[in-house]
Amino acid sequence: NAGVTQTPKFRVLKTGQSMTLLCAQDMNHEYMYWYRQDPGMGLRLIHYSVGEGTTAKGEVPDGYNVSRLKKQNFLLGLESAAPSQTSVYFCASSYSVGSTDTQYFGPGTRLTVL
Amino acid sequence: AQRVTQPEKLLSVFKGAPVELKCNYSYSGSPELFWYVQYSRQRLQLLLRHISRESIKGFTADLNKGETSFHLKKPFAQEEDSAMYYCALSGGGGYQKVTFGIGTKLQVIP
Repeated sequence: NAGVTQTPKFRVLKTGQSMTLLCAQDMNHEYMYWYRQDPGMGLRLIHYSVGEGTTAKGEVPDGYNVSRLKKQNFLLGLESAAPSQTSVYFCASSYSVGSTDTQYFGPGTRLTVL
Repeated sequence: AQRVTQPEKLLSVFKGAPVELKCNYSYSGSPELFWYVQYSRQRLQLLLRHISRESIKGFTADLNKGETSFHLKKPFAQEEDSAMYYCALSGGGGYQKVTFGIGTKLQVIP
């Protein structure tokens, strides 16, 4: 059971380039999330998904798009990267709709935009 | 709107000293509160949640609705407790929206 995995682990982009971050989970979880972690700002929710084929905006969605074509995968896209998107990105998943449920996190992707 | 406040970015304590990581929240309903921990070079993971009323690695946290607080406590700090600690709140609303605090770095001095 790998849990939540993220690809890639590190990436350096130039301003204006695009890329996709892949999150995969093998726990059959319904809910998946993308966060960014910045010093002094903690974790902020970018987008989330409550099930296959559905996505919704979180707290800081601008500049990002997501897709959930398969239940186990949640993709985060940057169409035109900006230096302000330099951050560590975490994917998470949880099983149920209950607010008491635990979120399981991936190892993170460190993205630098020059 | 739901909000989580962790007033200390860094907390340094000596090994064997008591630890209290502060967390205050703002939410109009009945929240679910969590503490997550991130050890160096490891992923973020759940430490404990108030609904379980459990003690994990010697840590406890009590939900005080009057003071809207969920402070994390441990009577005797260990070096391996050094990590980033995040307080989180889930307010329900039909989906599991979780709001995280900015985190407190706990440094246990040998």
